[in-house]
Amino acid sequence: QKEVEQNSGPLSVPEGAIASLNCTYSDRGSQSFFWYRQYSGKSPELIMFIYSNGDKEDGRFTAQLNKASQYVSLLIRDSQPSDSATYLCALKTSYDKVIFGPGTSLSVIP
Amino acid sequence: DTAVSQTPKYLVTQMGNDKSIKCEQNLGHDTMYWYKQDSKKFLKIMFSYNNKELIINETVPNRFSPKSPDKAHLNLHINSLELGDSAVYFCASSQVQGNTEAFFGQGTRLTVV
Repeated sequence: QKEVEQNSGPLSVPEGAIASLNCTYSDRGSQSFFWYRQYSGKSPELIMFIYSNGDKEDGRFTAQLNKASQYVSLLIRDSQPSDSATYLCALKTSYDKVIFGPGTSLSVIP
Repeated sequence: DTAVSQTPKYLVTQMGNDKSIKCEQNLGHDTMYWYKQDSKKFLKIMFSYNNKELIINETVPNRFSPKSPDKAHLNLHINSLELGDSAVYFCASSQVQGNTEAFFGQGTRLTVV
């Protein structure tokens, strides 16, 4: 099993809709979870982090974590064309390594 | 003031050459990383250093040699470059203590011809 898995997409949503991005992981000892956004030709930039089970909201973004199910997700409300990018799920493992999933490509259609 | 800076941004070289990529962070972080992002955009960890000590060395050819003169710098030297080494290489840093994210440099696009 790969350490971090995501649907590769592409995921297409109309402008104004909710985009839902999902991620599963294998290391049960992982404590820190991150969502990065990467525009084409740019470096990844952090948009959300979550450490505790449940939901965490920041503006239009909501991260959800379920450690029992080893599942983390990102919801983007009122999606905008500027949200079109690749979204990378990352986590810090129990041995302090920051690893990434393969990314989900999101396209928001005007 | 750039937090994580790496040079050069672009590097085009011939097969068989040796090249280096430099990385510096001014965030005071303990840990630095090198990642390789291939044409499919998968970001794969190569090395991790904590306070100048190598702590993670993934399955990377020994043509790749990281060097950390101090905890603010982590350079990547590549010997005998091959076509398959063409990729974007990202340097990143993070704090070991606590739950902190990795901050990335702008990337180095390496093209081997």
